[in-house]
Formats: sequence, C-alpha cells, structure tokens
Amino acid sequence: KNQVEQSPQSLIILEGKNCTLQCNYTVSPFSNLRWYKQDTGRGPVSLTIMTFSENTKSNGRYTATLDADTKQSSLHITASQLSDSASYICVVTDRGSTLGRLYFGRGTQLTVWP
Amino acid sequence: EADIYQTPRYLVIGTGKKITLECSQTMGHDKMYWYQQDPGMELHLIHYSYGVNSTEKGDLSSESTVSRIRTEHFPLTLESARPSHTSQYLCAISNAWGSDEQFFGPGTRLTVL
Repeated sequence: KNQVEQSPQSLIILEGKNCTLQCNYTVSPFSNLRWYKQDTGRGPVSLTIMTFSENTKSNGRYTATLDADTKQSSLHITASQLSDSASYICVVTDRGSTLGRLYFGRGTQLTVWP
Repeated sequence: EADIYQTPRYLVIGTGKKITLECSQTMGHDKMYWYQQDPGMELHLIHYSYGVNSTEKGDLSSESTVSRIRTEHFPLTLESARPSHTSQYLCAISNAWGSDEQFFGPGTRLTVL
C-alpha cells in the first residue's frame, strides 16, 4: 500500500534554532518528492522537489534530502523564524499512473516561539 | 505563485442547504483538482478534471459533484449539506504538458451546523 508517514506530528522550537522534519514513504514506482508549506487557513505551497537521482536540494533556509534506497526524506530548516510556523507536508508522486497520483503525508505542525 | 482563486473563503451554513464552492484560475491549465482536508489529516482527492467536459471521482468518496464547462472554472456542489461535510476544501491546478506540480488555492473552510 502506498503511504507517506511524517514525524514528528508536531514540533515547537525557539526562534533562531534549527530543526529537521522526517518523511518515510512506500510509494512505488517513485517519480518525485515535494515538501510543501501550508500556513494556517491557506493552501500548500511547494518548497522543494526532488527526483530519484537527487540527494539534496536547498531553497534558502530550507534544505531537503532524499535517500531513494531507504525511501526517506528530511527537511532541515536553518535559523528558524516566526514565519516558519506552519504545517510541512511531504508529498510523493507515483510515476505509474497517468494522473501523476500524489500521496500526501499528514504533515508536521511546526511552531516557532520568540 | 499561481493565480487560483476560491470563494467563499469561509462558509457557515445549516443542514440541508445547497452550496457551491467556486474555484477559478487564470493560468489556462487543463488539470484541476478538489481535495478535502480535515485538521491534522492528509489531503484526500475527491474530484479531478483533465479539461473541459472531463470530470472524474477521486480516491475519497464524496457526495459532492463537480462540473467543468469552462477551462477557468471548476465548481463543487453539495446538494444537501450535512455536518459530516464540515471540512476544508482545497482546489488545485497543474499543467498537463509540463511539471506535475500542483498549485493550490487558498481553500474554503466549510462548517455545516
């Protein structure tokens, strides 16, 4: 069964600190993995996309890693800011369907305190 | 950021009422999607469309219906709202011929009393 599991479910950190969010997936065949940021009451916005051959990709203070062998990804946030408070969702695309089927994790709710 | 709009943003309505959630886009993308999301839970695909006059049901069974008469609009209708329909509804678009990235609208928060 294709699944995407994220941990932790929620996380509270102080402003300026770093944190790492985890994503494990069983989706096969794998096409790509995206990390989305979803602010409260808003739609998700894509942060990074990683394909099978990519190990790491950065977008400002966000760095995503992918280990396609173990089917794990992480999102590292450096020098957190109050505006980083949001839900971070891991989304894996299934290469085997014409729809480009997306599998969503439940997200990690990050709260950054001043 | 994609130009995708959803109205209303918030809706509180009584049981039995008919409602239509609007989704519109100015990108001219062929693929459009409706997702349902409950707090702390993953997004579930309830409807999608490949283009005009094309609509399909998604993975999560839903009592809602959709239509795609024009490329720009993909409205979702509930004929008789019930408290179990209380949820956030997200519309998304993607370019059929390019990246499979989906761009999401701001969502509609529906509460049925």
